[in-house]
Amino acid sequence: GQNIDQPTEMTATEGAIVQINCTYQTSGFNGLFWYQQHAGEAPTFLSYNVLDGLEEKGRFSSFLSRSKGYSYLLLKELQMKDSASYLCAVRAGTDSWGKLQFGAGTQVVVTP
Amino acid sequence: DAGVTQSPTHLIKTRGQQVTLRCSPKSGHDTVSWYQQALGQGPQFIFQYYEEEERQRGNFPDRFSGHQFPNYSSELNVNALLLGDSALYLCASSLWDRPSGANVLTFGAGSRLTVL
Repeated sequence: GQNIDQPTEMTATEGAIVQINCTYQTSGFNGLFWYQQHAGEAPTFLSYNVLDGLEEKGRFSSFLSRSKGYSYLLLKELQMKDSASYLCAVRAGTDSWGKLQFGAGTQVVVTP
Repeated sequence: DAGVTQSPTHLIKTRGQQVTLRCSPKSGHDTVSWYQQALGQGPQFIFQYYEEEERQRGNFPDRFSGHQFPNYSSELNVNALLLGDSALYLCASSLWDRPSGANVLTFGAGSRLTVL
């Protein structure tokens, strides 16, 4: 089975940086995804990591360490619109293209 | 380019009833997955359909069933509803035959089911 842990909530000020950590335990690891979900809306894809290291995409970056079962999502220059839930999800196995195991999500609150 | 569309957006049922939820995948996608998201939780995988067949299934009882049509759209059926079935039901579409590992799921906004 898979176990995915991330903090429940984080608060940060507009313009600041926030780092959301995600730890996982899985066999047959085949990629880690980060999704953003605003209340009442669809989760939207932010990033994908399958190899160790940092992937940067504008204000968002994601890091993966497979040996440690650890990832983080870094949000820079926070904006009010970044207030949302951030979901860490792991895919395991080469035949599991549609099957992701999600964490419970981290609610990020951006304050003025 | 239309994304994933789901209907209805909200519905209320009573215990023991049956419900059908519908999903149209993103244009060009051929695979549909269904997830259940309870309040304050992450989505939980229910099952996945490709070529009108169930390809994978999560840890959900047989009360949950589905179907995929030739146009790739899909339905989720839940029989004998329980209070615990109250949740947001998300549909996600993707491409089955994609060589890259980064086969990204595109989600719909979901159908909010309340069971009284």
